[in-house]
Formats: sequence, structure tokens, C-alpha cells
Amino acid sequence: AQSVTQLDSQVPVFEEAPVELRCNYSSSVSVYLFWYVQYPNQGLQLLLKYLSGSTLVKGINGFEAEFNKSQTSFHLRKPSVHISDTAEYFCAVNKGGSNYKLTFGKGTLLTVNP
Amino acid sequence: EAQVTQNPRYLITVTGKKLTVTCSQNMNHEYMSWYRQDPGLGLRQIYYSMNVEVTDKGDVPEGYKVSRKEKRNFPLILESPSPNQTSLYFCASHNSGPNTEAFFGQGTRLTVV
Repeated sequence: AQSVTQLDSQVPVFEEAPVELRCNYSSSVSVYLFWYVQYPNQGLQLLLKYLSGSTLVKGINGFEAEFNKSQTSFHLRKPSVHISDTAEYFCAVNKGGSNYKLTFGKGTLLTVNP
Repeated sequence: EAQVTQNPRYLITVTGKKLTVTCSQNMNHEYMSWYRQDPGLGLRQIYYSMNVEVTDKGDVPEGYKVSRKEKRNFPLILESPSPNQTSLYFCASHNSGPNTEAFFGQGTRLTVV
């Protein structure tokens, strides 16, 4: 079975500071990796995804993530955050096969303070 | 505009009173899913559907039913709601294949008293 661990439930940072949100996964097979963002009172939207190829993936709003197979990690980074980045961020994996099932981490609440 | 539409957005009901949350997508996606989101637990899959008349259980199916009579619609049915089903519910749709993006509705906040 696959599982996703987001190591920090809350991350407070100041505006214009860099941020890293950590995600580790466990799976015995190859997986597809996603980061979703949930702004207050909204649904989830895709930030970025790793399918194959280059391990550094760039997404929307200046976010990027690095896939590390040996560490089974997929950490999300942004070099300079804005107040508008305040949201909950979810890491998710899908191992493939005929069933489509996203397994989500428990989420990390990023709060950007002025 | 591509979207997944859920209704209602907010619902307060009493224990045992049957309810249905509707979900509709306009992207002609084959796959649709229901998730519930609870604080500290993230999102957990309730049911999913791979096509019309094809549904299967996710991780937390107890107390829920679904149907897929048309490709665009995937309603979630709570035949006898209980307080432990108080949660935030999301419908999602996606194309086939594990590498595809899921599109989520705006969510339905359900309170069962």
C-alpha cells in the first residue's frame, strides 16, 4: 500500500522568505507525484506533478519540487513567498494500475506573515 | 469553462434523514471520485467510478452510496447520515491514466446533528 507523509502540519514564514514543504512517500512500485493547493473556502487545484524525466519540476505561481527516488521524497519549494501563498498544501501519489486513486498526505498549512 | 460543480455548498441536516450531494463535470472525463476531508487526516477517497455504471469502493465507503447513470454526473448518497459523517466533501473528475490531473469541485460542507 502506498502512503504519504507531510512532515510539517503548519509552516509560518515571513513574506519574501524562502519556504520548503516536505513530503515523503512509500511505495514498492513507481508512482506519480502531485502537489495540490487549497485556498480558503475553495477546492483543490494542481500546483505541479512529476511523471518521469527531469527530477526538478516547475509549477504555477513560482513553485517547484524535486523528486528524489533514493530518499522517496518530493519536497515543494518557493524562493520568495507572498501573502497570497497562504493556503493548505497537499502532497499526493498515484501508483497507477486500472484504479485511479490519489493518496493524499495530511496537508501543510502555509501561513505567510507580513 | 472546464469545471466540476457540486451542490449544495453547505448543508445542515439531522441524523437519519437521507440526503444527496450532486456532482457534475463538463470535461467528458471517464473517471470521477468522491473524497472527504477531515482536519488532520487530509483527503480520503470514499468511492470512485471508472465509467458509466462502473463504481468501486475507496478507503472509507461505509455509510455512503454512489451511482453513475450518466458520464457527467456522480451523486453521493447518504441514506441515513450520522454525526461522524460531518465533514467537507469533494468531488473530482479526471481522464483515465494515473498520470492525469484531477479537477476538484468547490466542496460541500456537511453538518449532521
